[in-house]
Amino acid sequence: NAGVMQNPRHLVRRRGQEARLRCSPMKGHSHVYWYRQLPEEGLKFMVYLQKENIIDESGMPKERFSAEFPKEGPSILRIQQVVRGDSAAYFCASSPLSLRGTYNEQFFGPGTRLTVL
Amino acid sequence: SQQGEEDPQALSIQEGENATMNCSYKTSINNLQWYRQNSGRGLVHLILIRSNEREKHSGRLRVTLDTSKKSSSLLITASRAADTASYFCAIMNTGFQKLVFGTGTRLLVSP
Repeated sequence: NAGVMQNPRHLVRRRGQEARLRCSPMKGHSHVYWYRQLPEEGLKFMVYLQKENIIDESGMPKERFSAEFPKEGPSILRIQQVVRGDSAAYFCASSPLSLRGTYNEQFFGPGTRLTVL
Repeated sequence: SQQGEEDPQALSIQEGENATMNCSYKTSINNLQWYRQNSGRGLVHLILIRSNEREKHSGRLRVTLDTSKKSSSLLITASRAADTASYFCAIMNTGFQKLVFGTGTRLLVSP
């Protein structure tokens, strides 16, 4: 059973370009989370998605950032018109379907390191 | 802020010694999780402890949770050089599925 997969592992973009980060959750997992880690800091929550639904996007910047988790295919985190401050490691995590009132551990992918020149 | 705060920020010990890291938080939680991150790598889940639990063990790891003090500790016994990494606590509040991470403790275990 493969773990959470993210690609690319490293992504270099120039200011103003678009960045697309992909995440394939573990088999059987229907919840996906995106986190961002700036250098020497902890992870910060960005967005929580289930298939075709955004459940919680309280950590997403209001502009330029969007996320989706379509019925088929990986979850995508999209950053438009990147700026240097977007340089960070972006981690995806997944968890299985939760019964009401239960909270499960999240399994993390290896991350995508975005560098904006 | 809901963010957990770890203490110490950095810890340097010799192989064979025990390492203790502490995490404090401010809100009610459903569970608290500890993760390890090797430099430049992804996160590895270590232990999840629920709010109604006080202590959990996994191999050389021991986690305690004191909800009255809103604090948790991670103890690594008989440390090894391979334990060198950053360790993060992350809280999950009741009603929310997102994890709120602390700032981490950088552990260095010297041979």
